[in-house]
Parts: sequence; C-alpha cells; structure tokens
Amino acid sequence: GAGVSQTPSNKVTEKGKYVELRCDPISGHTALYWYRQSLGQGPEFLIYFQGTGAADDSGLPNDRFFAVRPEGSVSTLKIQRTERGDSAVYLCASSFSTSGTGEQYFGPGTRLTVT
Amino acid sequence: DAKTTQPNSMESNEEEPVHLPCNHSTISGTDYIHWYRQLPSQGPEYVIHGLTSNVNNRMASLAIAEDRKSSTLILHRATLRDAAVYYCILRDYDFGNEKLTFGTGTRLTIIP
Repeated sequence: GAGVSQTPSNKVTEKGKYVELRCDPISGHTALYWYRQSLGQGPEFLIYFQGTGAADDSGLPNDRFFAVRPEGSVSTLKIQRTERGDSAVYLCASSFSTSGTGEQYFGPGTRLTVT
Repeated sequence: DAKTTQPNSMESNEEEPVHLPCNHSTISGTDYIHWYRQLPSQGPEYVIHGLTSNVNNRMASLAIAEDRKSSTLILHRATLRDAAVYYCILRDYDFGNEKLTFGTGTRLTIIP
C-alpha cells in the first residue's frame, strides 16, 4: 500500500517568505507527527495530532510555526517569515497507535532551504 | 525522557554479523526499547522494539540485558543496504508520551 507522502520534496525560499509543507499520511492512521532534522542530527519532534486536534505542540520552536489537520487526514505545516535557521529536512510520520508499542511510519521528508 | 547512549559510528564487513550497543541506565519500568534506522536521504524506518525479552523479526534481533540498562541490536548478516544511522529510543508504554525522542544515533558503515 501507499506510504506517507510529502510535498514538495524540495523547497527553496527567500528569507521572510511564507511556506507550506504538506503531508499525506497512511490511510486509516489517526496519529500524525511532524519532526525537523538538521544536518548531522537526529529528527526533532515538532507537533503531534490525534485526529484533527493537536495533542502536543510542545516542539514548535516559536509562533512562526503552525500546523493544521482539518479533516483528520492531510496535514500542512506552515512557516511564516522564514529565517535561514529554519533550513532543514521536515519529516512527517503517521501511526495507527500512539502507545509505546506503536510503530511510526515516516515519509521521505521535505528539504527546506531558506536563502 | 530517559536517555540513551550509543557509539557515534561503527564499521562492519559485508555478510558479517553486526552488534549495535545502546546504554539506557535510567530506563523506567514502562519504557519500551525501540530501534529505528535512517538510510541516506530517507525518513527513519522502524526496525524492532522490545520490553524485557529478546525479540526477533525479519530485519533484526534485539537482545535486552536482564537489568534492562542496555540492549543490543543484532543484524545477523549485514549487507550494503544496511548502511544507515541506527537510533535507539525509549518510549513509555503509557499514552501521553507519543513522540519519538531521537539522539544522534550510530552511523553504521558496511565494508564490501
């Protein structure tokens, strides 16, 4: 079956611009996660959705970052007034279960470059 | 979150077994031990998880110390495709701790 997909695969934007990154989770997965990965580091948690609501947004670095999942499926990560420090690979994952045994399935990521 | 410690890098010859260690001395009784790996230019992928007993699946085996303060991921016969960064992650069984907390992992290089 289809895995988690993310679009675009690459995004180059100028400092100060607004960007949207899209994630299509695996069908039927109620939990959706966003992570950010800088070069040489492991992925860093940003936000987690259970259904339509953000259950944990403690990883969002500041109020320029916002994410939505209006129908409990596709999610969009929105970044306002982008800064060069926002350059990273943004990863999306989904899972059927959120318990300690639940496997997360990751997409290939969106590489964001802010110039 | 309880922390894990892994070597930064390891090398192994192709077709040889690989033992990837992880220390988690502050593990709690409800923490599962998860392993994920990340191939170049891809998102992480689940490998295996366990609680107390050793576990086997088609990808690997997980050996857990009796005191649960360390574990070892075993790749029985490494191939070039196993070259990746391997992450050892603790994850609480209880709901409310859904995120994965990644460290820097172990970069495994396979020598042909």
